[in-house]
Amino acid sequence: DGGITQSPKYLFRKEGQNVTLSCEQNLNHDAMYWYRQDPGQGLRLIYYSQIVNDFQKGDIAEGYSVSREKKESFPLTVTSAQKNPTAFYLCATPRGPSSPGYTFGSGTRLTVV
Amino acid sequence: EDQVTQSPEALRLQEGESSSLNCSYTVSGLRGLFWYRQDPGKGPEFLFTLYSAGEEKEKERLKATLTKKESFLHITAPKPEDSATYLCAAGRDSGGSNYKLTFGKGTLLTVNP
Repeated sequence: DGGITQSPKYLFRKEGQNVTLSCEQNLNHDAMYWYRQDPGQGLRLIYYSQIVNDFQKGDIAEGYSVSREKKESFPLTVTSAQKNPTAFYLCATPRGPSSPGYTFGSGTRLTVV
Repeated sequence: EDQVTQSPEALRLQEGESSSLNCSYTVSGLRGLFWYRQDPGKGPEFLFTLYSAGEEKEKERLKATLTKKESFLHITAPKPEDSATYLCAAGRDSGGSNYKLTFGKGTLLTVNP
């Protein structure tokens, strides 16, 4: 069953901690994206990667880091430098070569405790 | 700067009461206008892509239309299961075959039985 999987579904972070959100896809797509969603706000792009071992900052990259060591995986680390990390995080990959737009994962809700 | 504005922010309908959601956009070099449905706590689900003014797409009770400055999502005889947040996104090229999407804040639709 092809798709994009995010884990965990819920994550709690203490002040000063780094946490890593997982995103895995088995669609064999080169591009992957991380978005942040806050209540009453549109999705905002954090980081994206168009190929293995390469990634670019999006609109709100400060306080976040990523890696792209494998085509299937694009983990996002929320560092202690991110002062307001509580949000819903979404990973996405293109729908397909002839299908513009993205397929999204089911999301990770991060809460600071 | 790319901008996407959706209205209204929230819409409450009775079952069977048809209406429309609006998405106005300012994007240089629009390559596609996307509509998504998002249920609470889940990732957005792709609905439509529109490419050029005058284009229309339909799926069950939903019909999306596009002009040079805005898109409409028409909902005909809605049912309670159509209740969700509807997201609009405007896409432009970001290199290769990928798009950079700018999202609106969404319209929360509630359909009462």
